[in-house]
Amino acid sequence: AQSVSQHNHHVILSEAASLELGCNYSYGGTVNLFWYVQYPGQHLQLLLKYFSGDPLVKGIKGFEAEFIKSKFSFNLRKPSVQWSDTAEYFCAVSAMEYGNKLVFGAGTILRVKS
Amino acid sequence: NAGVTQTPKFQVLKTGQSMTLQCAQDMNHEYMSWYRQDPGMGLRLIHYSVGAGITDQGEVPNGYNVSRSTTEDFPLRLLSAAPSQTSVYFCASSPTTGKNTEAFFGQGTRLTVV
Repeated sequence: AQSVSQHNHHVILSEAASLELGCNYSYGGTVNLFWYVQYPGQHLQLLLKYFSGDPLVKGIKGFEAEFIKSKFSFNLRKPSVQWSDTAEYFCAVSAMEYGNKLVFGAGTILRVKS
Repeated sequence: NAGVTQTPKFQVLKTGQSMTLQCAQDMNHEYMSWYRQDPGMGLRLIHYSVGAGITDQGEVPNGYNVSRSTTEDFPLRLLSAAPSQTSVYFCASSPTTGKNTEAFFGQGTRLTVV
């Protein structure tokens, strides 16, 4: 079965600091990879996705993620965070062999101090 | 542009009561699913459906029933609510079960069982 591990549950940063959130998954086959964001009191929104091609994926709001197949990783990055990036971030994986069911990590709560 | 609509947004139940969480999508998506979100555990799949008339269990199906009589609707039924079912529930849909699909989420239903 697939599993997703997010390295940090809580991250606190000051504005303008750089962000990297770790995500590792367990499945060795072909995967689809996603990062979702949940702002306080809101539903999940897609930040970015990787299906194939360039392993460096750019998403909305200045976020990017790099797929490293050899490390089973899909880390999320942002060079300079803003107070408005305060949210919970979820990494998710799906694979055709598992019926494309989305499997989520436990989430990372990011708090950006102004 | 409704997307995925969940009702109600909030609900308080007494232990033993039953209720149905509604989910509807207007994007003609084949694939629909229900997740529950609990602090520190991410989103866990309860049930899913790959098309009208077809449903299957996810990771945490106990205490929940689903049906899919139409493409648009995917209600989640709690037969006898328990405090352990206090959670935030999200419905999601995606175009197909094929490769390269992303999930679209509803606004969530916050359920408290007392």
